[in-house]
Amino acid sequence: AQSVTQPDIHITVSEGASLELRCNYSYGATPYLFWYVQSPGQGLQLLLKYFSGDTLVQGIKGFEAEFKRSQSSFNLRKPSVHWSDAAEYFCAVAPYGGATNKLIFGTGTLLAVQP
Amino acid sequence: DSGVTQTPKHLITATGQRVTLRCSPRSGDLSVYWYQQSLDQGLQFLIQYYNGEERAKGNILERFSAQQFPDLHSELNLSSLELGDSALYFCASSVSGHISDTQYFGPGTRLTVL
Repeated sequence: AQSVTQPDIHITVSEGASLELRCNYSYGATPYLFWYVQSPGQGLQLLLKYFSGDTLVQGIKGFEAEFKRSQSSFNLRKPSVHWSDAAEYFCAVAPYGGATNKLIFGTGTLLAVQP
Repeated sequence: DSGVTQTPKHLITATGQRVTLRCSPRSGDLSVYWYQQSLDQGLQFLIQYYNGEERAKGNILERFSAQQFPDLHSELNLSSLELGDSALYFCASSVSGHISDTQYFGPGTRLTVL
């Protein structure tokens, strides 16, 4: 079945440590790919997006993501986590190169940051 | 602050009732999207409007309807409410309505159905 998978429901990292959040998708054609962040009590904010071209994408707040076609993955990374990064992170996919104009979200990864 | 406003912030109602959620997009944005976030279903796309016309439809129930008005604000109408409709409802807006545009999300309306 077509889906977006975020295998890690909850991750805890220490402040200053590196972070990688995983996202896998199962759509035939390369979809459009997005990462969003949701801080407590707030709406979602776009961190970065990928449509084509360079597979390493830079986003806001020091985040980056790498598209790996062979692994159907679009993992989010940050070299050094800050306490303010504690939030829920959602991977989203627009299938079929965005042709349907719909976003399919993963289940989210809740990030906790230890001092 | 994304520039997208949603009212009300919280809504508590009873089963069988009807409610209307309102969304004002960012200035200059022509497209509005509605999403539902619940513990059971996660974050789901409901429907999109562009300049007053329906553009895309997701997992929106027949009991739910939406529209976008000439001033570009949008309303999501939920009727015959059930306990399972309790959720956070987000509105987002974008400039052109293509999925490649950045969507700016509002703070959401939390609906509780008792």
